[in-house]
Amino acid sequence: DGGITQSPKYLFRKEGQNVTLSCEQNLNHDAMYWYRQDPGQGLRLIYYSQIVNDFQKGDIAEGYSVSREKKESFPLTVTSAQKNPTAFYLCASSMEGASSPLHFGNGTRLTVT
Amino acid sequence: GNSVTQMEGPVTLSEEAFLTINCTYTATGYPSLFWYVQYPGEGLQLLLKATKADDKGSNKGFEATYRKETTSFHLEKGSVQVSDSAVYFCALSSSFYNQGGKLIFGQGTELSVKP
Repeated sequence: DGGITQSPKYLFRKEGQNVTLSCEQNLNHDAMYWYRQDPGQGLRLIYYSQIVNDFQKGDIAEGYSVSREKKESFPLTVTSAQKNPTAFYLCASSMEGASSPLHFGNGTRLTVT
Repeated sequence: GNSVTQMEGPVTLSEEAFLTINCTYTATGYPSLFWYVQYPGEGLQLLLKATKADDKGSNKGFEATYRKETTSFHLEKGSVQVSDSAVYFCALSSSFYNQGGKLIFGQGTELSVKP
């Protein structure tokens, strides 16, 4: 079955530590995305990539970094510069084109204390 | 810029009641419109979509019609079930190629259906 796998489901870190969230897809999609979800809010775009070795900042990229070395993988690093890192992080992928829907992973809940 | 506004929740209904969740949008060009559903602790799943004016998307008894004249894409279901309890997100995708696939989401509407 094709899909998107995010791991781990729950992640706990101490303040000041960088942490990397994994996202892998086997849907052969070119585009991949990272969204952040906070309670009672919609999803906000962190980074997106439309092709391997290329990515663009979304609306809230500060304090985050990404890489896209393989089509299947789009890891997100939450750095110590991110002021409020505790959130639910969702990875998604899509085929090319504005009418193509996003396919989402089941998310990683990050808690930083 | 592009934006999506949804009615605030939570919405609480009895089983078999009629559901409407309002969604309006602001966008340049001709966006595609989507409804996604999120069950507790999970990612979002596509519920339905419409890609041009007057298109009706439908799935699992849910419907929404792309109304360009009122810039709306309201979600409806004739008879809700307890299993429909979830958070529903309205979203739009820019029609411009260099932003293709980037979705802008509303804030979500939580639906709770009581037996």
